[in-house]
Amino acid sequence: AAGVIQSPRHLIKEKRETATLKCYPIPRHDTVYWYQQGPGQDPQFLISFYEKMQSDKGSIPDRFSAQQFSDYHSELNMSSLELGDSALYFCASSLGRNQPQHFGDGTRLSIL
Amino acid sequence: AQRVTQPEKLLSVFKGAPVELKCNYSYSGSPELFWYVQYSRQRLQLLLRHISRESIKGFTADLNKGETSFHLKKPFAQEEDSAMYYCALTESGGATNKLIFGTGTLLAVQP
Repeated sequence: AAGVIQSPRHLIKEKRETATLKCYPIPRHDTVYWYQQGPGQDPQFLISFYEKMQSDKGSIPDRFSAQQFSDYHSELNMSSLELGDSALYFCASSLGRNQPQHFGDGTRLSIL
Repeated sequence: AQRVTQPEKLLSVFKGAPVELKCNYSYSGSPELFWYVQYSRQRLQLLLRHISRESIKGFTADLNKGETSFHLKKPFAQEEDSAMYYCALTESGGATNKLIFGTGTLLAVQP
């Protein structure tokens, strides 16, 4: 079965650079969530979208923004990158807002 | 405040031994509880949700509202069960269902 696709799998950036992470949900899933998992940490919710509208916002820095497009894929844009942004960024999708979330493999972002 | 507590960072058992991964939560409304598993270098996978009341890979979990617990149990551990297990909750039927995760328990099953 098709799963959540995230790209790139790995990304290396330097401080103050920008990065864009992409998430392609499971077909027909209309809800996308972004989570950040720092080294040895539990995943922390960043932001979610339902039917292309932001539905909830968590601990997402102002330097980050995200959107969901007409084909339901989502992009997380990160600017002025800091060393502390190094983490595994997970995207999850669900069919509706109150259904189980299915996670992608994540994008491992390393800031040098 | 909404919180999920997994008191054990690491649980090491021998193959064939019973396993219980503890999870306690604090939530003012009506939560929905989940267990997610993360095998080495793999994605988070949904293992169980409390409303399904099913058994997956021999694991079960019962929601105890009185004790605000959702412990994960398996009678006989297998080596392939070795993984990181996260307990998580979300607001049942709410406008948002962001997941709030516990800090995770690493289960190591020794041969």
